[in-house]
Amino acid sequence: EPEVTQTPSHQVTQMGQEVILRCVPISNHLYFYWYRQILGQKVEFLVSFYNNEISEKSEIFDDQFSVERPDGSNFTLKIRSTKLEDSAMYFCASSDYGLYEQYFGPGTRLTVT
Amino acid sequence: GNSVTQMEGPVTLSEEAFLTINCTYTATGYPSLFWYVQYPGEGLQLLLKATKADDKGSNKGFEATYRKETTSFHLEKGSVQVSDSAVYFCALSNAGGTSYGKLTFGQGTILTVHP
Repeated sequence: EPEVTQTPSHQVTQMGQEVILRCVPISNHLYFYWYRQILGQKVEFLVSFYNNEISEKSEIFDDQFSVERPDGSNFTLKIRSTKLEDSAMYFCASSDYGLYEQYFGPGTRLTVT
Repeated sequence: GNSVTQMEGPVTLSEEAFLTINCTYTATGYPSLFWYVQYPGEGLQLLLKATKADDKGSNKGFEATYRKETTSFHLEKGSVQVSDSAVYFCALSNAGGTSYGKLTFGQGTILTVHP
C-alpha cells in the first residue's frame, strides 16, 4: 500500500540554524500539507501546497518557513533560523484530487536546543 | 473560525468494554468530519470519515455518525481490544472556495485498554 515517508525521523539542531525536513508524498497525489504538533498540544495546520504554489497557510507559517517541491517526488519544509519554540513533531500529508482524505507520514521530531 | 473539541482524556478501559469518545465542532458551511488514530511511534492514520449530515463512518468496529443538529461526531466501539490503545483525534475539513482541505484537529484522546 502506498505511503507517505518522511526523513529524518529525528533532527536535533541548535537555535538559529536552518533545517530542512523532507517528505515523499504518495505518487499520484496532488495536494500536500505540513502540520506540526508541539508536545502535549493539538496537531496544527501549517501550510497547504497545490500546483507548485502555496494555497493556504496559517499564522504560524511566517517568513521563517518555506516549502518547496524541488522535483516530482519530494516535498520539503525549511525553517531558516530555528527557535526553541519550533521544537515539535512535524507531519507531512498528501491527498488526491478528492481533497477530503489526507494520508500522513510518520513525522519528524525536531528538537531545537 | 473552525474548531474541534474532544472529551478530556486519558480514557482507561478493560478489554471488551464499550468505548465512547465525544467530539463536537464549530464550523461554517458543511464540513467533512474525520477520526484519525495514532498508534505509539507511528503517524496519523485515517480511521473513518463522514462527508455529510447523518452519514455514518465505520471501520475496524469503530463507528461515528455526523450529527449536524448537535454538531457532533462521537466515536464508538462496542468491544475494545488491547490493540486499540492509541491516541484518537477528531478533525474537520472545510474544503472548497479558498480552502484546500486544511484539517482542524481536536486535542486528542489517549485510550489505554487493559487485558
